[in-house]
Amino acid sequence: GESVGLHLPTLSVQEGDNSIINCAYSNSASDYFIWYKQESGKGPQFIIDIRSNMDKRQGQRVTVLLNKTVKHLSLQIAATQPGDSAVYFCAVGNQGGKLIFGQGTELSVKP
Amino acid sequence: DGGITQSPKYLFRKEGQNVTLSCEQNLNHDAMYWYRQDPGQGLRLIYYSQIVNDFQKGDIAEGYSVSREKKESFPLTVTSAQKNPTAFYLCASSIDWHGSKSQHFGDGTRLSIL
Repeated sequence: GESVGLHLPTLSVQEGDNSIINCAYSNSASDYFIWYKQESGKGPQFIIDIRSNMDKRQGQRVTVLLNKTVKHLSLQIAATQPGDSAVYFCAVGNQGGKLIFGQGTELSVKP
Repeated sequence: DGGITQSPKYLFRKEGQNVTLSCEQNLNHDAMYWYRQDPGQGLRLIYYSQIVNDFQKGDIAEGYSVSREKKESFPLTVTSAQKNPTAFYLCASSIDWHGSKSQHFGDGTRLSIL
């Protein structure tokens, strides 16, 4: 069946450094990709999305890169801050309303 | 402010009891979803509704039931048939079902067994 996976369950970075969180998906027909941030005890919060007709999209301090050839997605956070500490999920959509979620990477930011 | 409200935040279930989790949205979204989240895992889809008066089973529907009588409301009942109900339950909505869209989430209900 279709799957979405993350390369690392945890990531620890120093405050001010850049963070990169990676995600791999299995379905080459996937056309929509989202990154969510989930803080402890709360629901996932939308960060940024990208459609399959793009390779890169930038937001405020965040960039999403999409490599359709190897079915790989990454989230880059610039100048990581303590408030960025959370679990980050990628989610993948395939032309319908359903999203398939990865397992999440827990980002810890050391002061 | 528009958003999704889930209640209660914490819920305890006794053996053999059915419990209902509330989900209300004022975003005027057509599609709504229920997910289950277990520690260290991604979100798994329980049920979804593309439009009012319609709903379909997701990947792990056994032991759960839903209704969608109003556009803004999508309650989830965890029945006694669900033998491992302890989890964090998340409700979400999206503007419609047509094409891939982002989903907006509530802040969840944590269900535990007494």
